Amino acid sequence: EAGVAQSPRYKIIEKRQSVAFWCNPISGHATLYWYQQILGQGPKLLIQFQNNGVVDDSQLPKDRFSAERLKGVDSTLKIQPAKLEDSAVYLCASSPGLAGGSYNEQFFGPGTRLTVL
Amino acid sequence: AQRVTQPEKLLSVFKGAPVELKCNYSYSGSPELFWYVQYSRQRLQLLLRHISRESIKGFTADLNKGETSFHLKKPFAQEEDSAMYYCALRRWGAQKLVFGQGTRLTINP
Repeated sequence: EAGVAQSPRYKIIEKRQSVAFWCNPISGHATLYWYQQILGQGPKLLIQFQNNGVVDDSQLPKDRFSAERLKGVDSTLKIQPAKLEDSAVYLCASSPGLAGGSYNEQFFGPGTRLTVL
Repeated sequence: AQRVTQPEKLLSVFKGAPVELKCNYSYSGSPELFWYVQYSRQRLQLLLRHISRESIKGFTADLNKGETSFHLKKPFAQEEDSAMYYCALRRWGAQKLVFGQGTRLTINP
């Protein structure tokens, strides 16, 4: 089934290393989200894109995290340098657009599980 | 600020028994409330939304603005209902979702 794709599925790195995650949203979806889900917690929004522009990055730790969505399709999320507390599942989601009505459902990818040692 | 609280991290019931997963929220404006579910080895997916007033897989949820609650209910639990359940809130007209901590529901045979 054509859904949100993410890679890699798992990543183990040492602290102070850098890492990048990739997301391919559902075709035609204008809005893309990156969430961080720490073990035992619900997903927390890191950044939201509308096409290739940033709508909300208020909870993105900008000193170490960066994200881009070139050409308004695929997106990458980078962490540099990683800290132990960055260990989490990073979820990508996409939705049709900015009209936040009842049909603007978010569809989630499988996530990338990051372990920082 | 928007906040969603799910007071139970774990909930275990027997097959055929009623289920209620609690969700309370804090938001002064008009909210949209959702329940998301994640079955084992599957993606997080939307279960139901308050605005639709629908029953999905036997689950219903009513938004109670007076008690700021959106509890998820099912009269007769089935083993396939075992999963993680997340309550989420969205400000009306926005897209950002705020999630609760989640409740792991286990249905015992």
